[in-house]
Amino acid sequence: AQSVAQPEDQVNVAEGNPLTVKCTYSVSGNPYLFWYVQYPNRGLQFLLKYITGDNLVKGSYGFEAEFNKSQTSFHLKKPSALVSDSALYFCAVKYSSASKIIFGSGTRLSIRP
Amino acid sequence: DSGVTQTPKHLITATGQRVTLRCSPRSGDLSVYWYQQSLDQGLQFLIQYYNGEERAKGNILERFSAQQFPDLHSELNLSSLELGDSALYFCASSLGLQDTQYFGPGTRLTVL
Repeated sequence: AQSVAQPEDQVNVAEGNPLTVKCTYSVSGNPYLFWYVQYPNRGLQFLLKYITGDNLVKGSYGFEAEFNKSQTSFHLKKPSALVSDSALYFCAVKYSSASKIIFGSGTRLSIRP
Repeated sequence: DSGVTQTPKHLITATGQRVTLRCSPRSGDLSVYWYQQSLDQGLQFLIQYYNGEERAKGNILERFSAQQFPDLHSELNLSSLELGDSALYFCASSLGLQDTQYFGPGTRLTVL
């Protein structure tokens, strides 16, 4: 079955440290992979996506994600976390043969000063 | 600002009632999506329209219906409301079927 998993409900990082938010997907065709961020009382904002090409994708606000086909992962990373990065992060996948996007359960990122 | 607008921002109503949520997609976008976000269910895809036609259905209850009009705005109708329907309802739009989705600010529905 097509699915996406975010194994961590919460990630806590000190400001200035690197951060990683994990995402894995089920193997089925050629996935399109996305990361979205949701700030309190706001809609989801698009961060970045992988369609094809370079496995390292750079997105908004200094975030990047690496597509790893062998590990079926698409982890979100940032070299130096900011307190303002604290939010709810969603990984999502859709497959080239379907138009339905599947969202992960979300990971709450908390950056402490 | 994503360019997707949703009205109203907040809606409080009683069980058994019917409400309509409205969404205007970004200029030029043909596809509209509806999602429900609740604490216990996470973000659930409800339904998608493309250029006026239904294209995909997710976990949408029979009490819920949607449509996309010729001017591409969309409405989500929720009827016979139950307490469990209290949630944030998001609309998103994209240019085509495979493109990035841009989300509106949401409508917070509270059913008392």
